[in-house]
Amino acid sequence: ELKVEQNPLFLSMQEGKNYTIYCNYSTTSDRLYWYRQDPGKSLESLFVLLSNGAVKQEGRLMASLDTKARLSTLHITAAVHDLSATYFCASGGTYKYIFGTGTRLKVLA
Amino acid sequence: IAGITQAPTSQILAAGRRMTLRCTQDMRHNAMYWYRQDLGLGLRLIHYSNTAGTTGKGEVPDGYSVSRANTDDFPLTLASAVPSQTSVYFCASSATSGYNEQFFGPGTRLTVL
Repeated sequence: ELKVEQNPLFLSMQEGKNYTIYCNYSTTSDRLYWYRQDPGKSLESLFVLLSNGAVKQEGRLMASLDTKARLSTLHITAAVHDLSATYFCASGGTYKYIFGTGTRLKVLA
Repeated sequence: IAGITQAPTSQILAAGRRMTLRCTQDMRHNAMYWYRQDLGLGLRLIHYSNTAGTTGKGEVPDGYSVSRANTDDFPLTLASAVPSQTSVYFCASSATSGYNEQFFGPGTRLTVL
């Protein structure tokens, strides 16, 4: 069974701290996507990782991809309250995408 | 229209009734998708279409049907709604070249009683 697993599922962290969300996938696709979802809202694309070793950064978020380990990470640097949201990774391509169950991030002031 | 629109925003439906969720995009994307989002289960693909005139089944297609008569519209129909279809439904679209990242609509919250 093809799976995309995220951990942790829930993360509560203090402002200013660093942390990493992990995304393990068993699909054969080497494309990995990260999305953000605010409560009651839709999903917003954050990063698209297309090849082994790919690294993308936007503000306090940095995503990386290791296709050999089938692992992607989303690293949060010096968290701020505005980063509180649910983060999803998704693997796939050619129309059949599989999403992880999401990591709910809460940044405490 | 900018991006993807979905209608209705929310709906309460009696079990056994037929319901069509509408989705329209103006980005000229070839591919479109329907997902349902349930707490603790993430997003699960119901049906997809890689181009007008063709559709395919996703992970949880039972009880749902779709059509793709043109590039812009991708309606999802529940022929006879059941309470287990209570969920938030998201429509998405993507180009079929390049990054293939998906762009999502605002969602439809459906409650089947």
